[in-house]
Amino acid sequence: AQRVTQPEKLLSVFKGAPVELKCNYSYSGSPELFWYVQYSRQRLQLLLRHISRESIKGFTADLNKGETSFHLKKPFAQEEDSAMYYCALINYGQNFVFGPGTRLSVLP
Amino acid sequence: GAGVSQTPSNKVTEKGKYVELRCDPISGHTALYWYRQSLGQGPEFLIYFQGTGAADDSGLPNDRFFAVRPEGSVSTLKIQRTERGDSAVYLCASSLSPGTVNTGELFFGEGSRLTVL
Repeated sequence: AQRVTQPEKLLSVFKGAPVELKCNYSYSGSPELFWYVQYSRQRLQLLLRHISRESIKGFTADLNKGETSFHLKKPFAQEEDSAMYYCALINYGQNFVFGPGTRLSVLP
Repeated sequence: GAGVSQTPSNKVTEKGKYVELRCDPISGHTALYWYRQSLGQGPEFLIYFQGTGAADDSGLPNDRFFAVRPEGSVSTLKIQRTERGDSAVYLCASSLSPGTVNTGELFFGEGSRLTVL
């Protein structure tokens, strides 16, 4: 079965510190992975997708098939990065499976 | 419209009542998804439409839940004989086409918060 796990419910870091939000997945096949973000009082929205190999708002994520991971990283966290982050994959049925989410809190 | 619209934004009902939640997707989006999100959890897949047909309804928890999209645009999620455990935020999302490499982006509504007393 397809599954996405995010081991940390809450991650607190100080402004300017590096941040890594962990995501692991189980999927029999070639996965397509995404990070979605929900800022306070806003709707859930796409942050980045692994296929694009892009950096959005300073965040990057590398797909590691050997470790079945897709961790989200940023070298210098900003206060405006505080939000809920969800890792997700598209399964064979063409629907999205989301992880439980990690709340990132960037302290001043 | 500018984005995915969901109504009502809040619904309080009594156990056993019938509830309808509406989703108006972005114009031109052929794929429409319903998710349910309970407190402290990630979005849980319920059903996904491609056009008018339900391409995957494997996430519907039981036969009290039903969804339609008769004209391939607006969708209604219907819950019969509501139970307290149905209380959650129901999220609707749409995309240009189902999870393809070129799109792969879901556009979410603000959700309908359902409270069953």
